[in-house]
Amino acid sequence: DGGITQSPKYLFRKEGQNVTLSCEQNLNHDAMYWYRQDPGQGLRLIYYSQIVNDFQKGDIAEGYSVSREKKESFPLTVTSAQKNPTAFYLCASSTPRTGGTYGYTFGSGTRLTVV
Amino acid sequence: GNSVTQMEGPVTLSEEAFLTINCTYTATGYPSLFWYVQYPGEGLQLLLKATKADDKGSNKGFEATYRKETTSFHLEKGSVQVSDSAVYFCALEGWSTGFQKLVFGTGTRLLVSP
Repeated sequence: DGGITQSPKYLFRKEGQNVTLSCEQNLNHDAMYWYRQDPGQGLRLIYYSQIVNDFQKGDIAEGYSVSREKKESFPLTVTSAQKNPTAFYLCASSTPRTGGTYGYTFGSGTRLTVV
Repeated sequence: GNSVTQMEGPVTLSEEAFLTINCTYTATGYPSLFWYVQYPGEGLQLLLKATKADDKGSNKGFEATYRKETTSFHLEKGSVQVSDSAVYFCALEGWSTGFQKLVFGTGTRLLVSP
């Protein structure tokens, strides 16, 4: 079955450490996204990539980095520069559909906790 | 810029009660509108969508109508079940700095008791 796989589901990080969250999709979607979810704040866009080897900052990119070397993969690195990294991270992918509406598919998320 | 405002929760209902979750939006042009649902510990699932004014999206007994005159997309269900307990997000998809961007509301938690 096609979908998006995020791993790990739970991740613990010590302060000052970098950590990488994995996102893989087998939907042949061109675009991929990373969102951060905090209680009461909805989802905020961190980075997005419309094609391989290209990515753009979203609304809250500071302290994060990404790469898009393969169409299927869009890993997110949370660096030590991110002051408040404890959150739920969601990866999504999309492709244009008939009628002009992009269809988004979401992964099941990674909960990152700084200890 | 584009934005979505939805009612704060939690919304607490008894089983078989009528549900309304309000959602209004601000956008340039003609965005597509969505409702997503998130069950505990999970990602988001698309519940329904509408792509133009007066369209009605529906799925699993939930409905929402794209009202351009009131810039609203309220979610309704005639009879909720305990299994509907989740967080519901209203979202719009519109053009922003050269690409289609999905903008979310803050989410509304629904709690349904037996």
